[in-house]
Amino acid sequence: SQTIHQWPATLVQPVGSPLSLECTVEGTSNPNLYWYRQAAGRGLQLLFYSVGIGQISSEVPQNLSASRPQDRQFILSSKKLLLSDSGFYLCAWRAWDNPSGNTIYFGEGSWLTVV
Amino acid sequence: RKEVEQDPGPFNVPEGATVAFNCTYSNSASQSFFWYRQDCRKEPKLLMSVYSSGNEDGRFTAQLNRASQYISLLIRDSKLSDSATYLCVVNPNFGNEKLTFGTGTRLTIIP
Repeated sequence: SQTIHQWPATLVQPVGSPLSLECTVEGTSNPNLYWYRQAAGRGLQLLFYSVGIGQISSEVPQNLSASRPQDRQFILSSKKLLLSDSGFYLCAWRAWDNPSGNTIYFGEGSWLTVV
Repeated sequence: RKEVEQDPGPFNVPEGATVAFNCTYSNSASQSFFWYRQDCRKEPKLLMSVYSSGNEDGRFTAQLNRASQYISLLIRDSKLSDSATYLCVVNPNFGNEKLTFGTGTRLTIIP
């Protein structure tokens, strides 16, 4: 069965510091991968998605970036965090060959607090 | 108008009662629909897909009304464990990579 893991689960970072969140998927090949953010009391906001290695689509211009160095690895980064970057970051995947399903599955999430 | 709108609640419902949520979507060409459940400080998890003919899974029933552009979720005989936030999710176009999430409806089941 497929599983998705992301880490770290929780982190507190000072303003201006860098960020790296990592996500890996197991049990599937060539998944679509996503990074979402959920701010307090807000809905899920799509940040990036990827349909393959090195292919990144950005949904929201900001100081975050994403990379997909391997088929089942997705990384979210920032060179300098802002206070507004605080939130719950979720990695997700979907099987590319299941368009009728279109369901996505989330990792456990990473709580980021920028201080 | 938001792409997907939900009543944020909170809904405070006694155990054993029936509760229903609605969710409206703006894009009439939307292809697929889902309900996700999110517990406090946890990731969202798929509760059920919503099919045109309506579908049922135990105590949960989901329905789609394309003419009025809304989907609904009905929970019968509610349990304490049903307390969570319920997210409405819409896929705007077939094959589109992006799902649109509502902000969620918070449900609390009262003993």
